[in-house]
Amino acid sequence: AQTVTQSQPEMSVQEAETVTLSCTYDTSESNYYLFWYKQPPSRQMILVIRQEAYKQQNATENRFSVNFQKAAKSFSLKISDSQLGDTAMYFCASYNNNDMRFGAGTRLTVKP
Amino acid sequence: DTAVSQTPKYLVTQMGNDKSIKCEQNLGHDTMYWYKQDSKKFLKIMFSYNNKELIINETVPNRFSPKSPDKAHLNLHINSLELGDSAVYFCASSRITGVDEAFFGQGTRLTVV
Repeated sequence: AQTVTQSQPEMSVQEAETVTLSCTYDTSESNYYLFWYKQPPSRQMILVIRQEAYKQQNATENRFSVNFQKAAKSFSLKISDSQLGDTAMYFCASYNNNDMRFGAGTRLTVKP
Repeated sequence: DTAVSQTPKYLVTQMGNDKSIKCEQNLGHDTMYWYKQDSKKFLKIMFSYNNKELIINETVPNRFSPKSPDKAHLNLHINSLELGDSAVYFCASSRITGVDEAFFGQGTRLTVV
């Protein structure tokens, strides 16, 4: 069974600065999909970014980008120019072979 | 227009009762899911369902059952509720099972007393 590990339970960053959230995963499959989801205090989960494992190019979405290291099974999320609205729980997730797994989450606080 | 809506938002009930949570999506997606988020925010998939197959997480007790009257709805029925069932339950949908962005409902906080 696959596993997803987020080793940082909590992080904080000053507004306008850059922060990187870590995620490692373990799967025996060669084809899989990786995600970062955000859960603000409103509770609703929102997709931040998605990466297909067979694509070597790192995904980017505006201020959000990933560093996908397939050999190391690492999938970190970089948030540039942090904004107060980025304060949320961030979950890393992996999908393959009808199995979706989430990490334990990282609580990110953006400070003014 | 809410893409994925679930009702109720909050549910308080006694041990031993049977309850249902409803979920509807208006995105035209083929796959719907139920997730459970415990008090430590840990998120676990319970079911995924499209018109072809139901995939059940093997750790889910058989007191939990999904019911899909049509492609746009996936309701969650829970029998003989236990204290440990207290959690936030999320419904979600996606175009293709697992590989696409999942759109989540706002969650139902279930409290069993």
